[in-house]
Amino acid sequence: AQSVAQPEDQVNVAEGNPLTVKCTYSVSGNPYLFWYVQYPNRGLQFLLKYITGDNLVKGSYGFEAEFNKSQTSFHLKKPSALVSDSALYFCAVRAPGGATNKLIFGTGTLLAVQP
Amino acid sequence: NAGVTQTPKFQVLKTGQSMTLQCAQDMNHEYMSWYRQDPGMGLRLIHYSVGAGITDQGEVPNGYNVSRSTTEDFPLRLLSAAPSQTSVYFCASSPTGLSPYEQYFGPGTRLTVT
Repeated sequence: AQSVAQPEDQVNVAEGNPLTVKCTYSVSGNPYLFWYVQYPNRGLQFLLKYITGDNLVKGSYGFEAEFNKSQTSFHLKKPSALVSDSALYFCAVRAPGGATNKLIFGTGTLLAVQP
Repeated sequence: NAGVTQTPKFQVLKTGQSMTLQCAQDMNHEYMSWYRQDPGMGLRLIHYSVGAGITDQGEVPNGYNVSRSTTEDFPLRLLSAAPSQTSVYFCASSPTGLSPYEQYFGPGTRLTVT
């Protein structure tokens, strides 16, 4: 069965420092991986996705994610954090093949960026 | 484009009451889905649809019904509300097909069942 794990409930980082939000996955075959962000009292917004090809994926708001097949990970990164990046971040996986767009989400990681 | 809209934004129900959460999208997306978000649980898929007239169950379908009579609308019905259904509900839509399209989420409905 497909699954996604986000091992950290919360990540704290100072403004201007690099940030990493971790995600590992379990799926048969090559996965499709996503990161979404949720600001308070809002719906989720798409940040970036990995389909195939380059292991480093660039997305919105200066975020990027690194796909590592051997470690089954898809960590979200940003070189310099902003206070406005403070939000809840979700990793999600879709199994390859098929015509539906069913996603399995992780439990979320709250990112807190201190000024 | 309004994107994905959900009504109501907030709702309080008593145990045993029924209600319908509305979801509509104006992007002509075939795929629509309902999730519930609970603290520490992430988002869990309730039901989904790949087109008008076609629906299927997700991870946590019990206590919920859906129908898809048009491409635009995908209402979620709570048949007999229970306190365990207190949650935030999100509707999402996307194109469907072999490509992994990103999903567009509505603003959510916060439901409290007393």
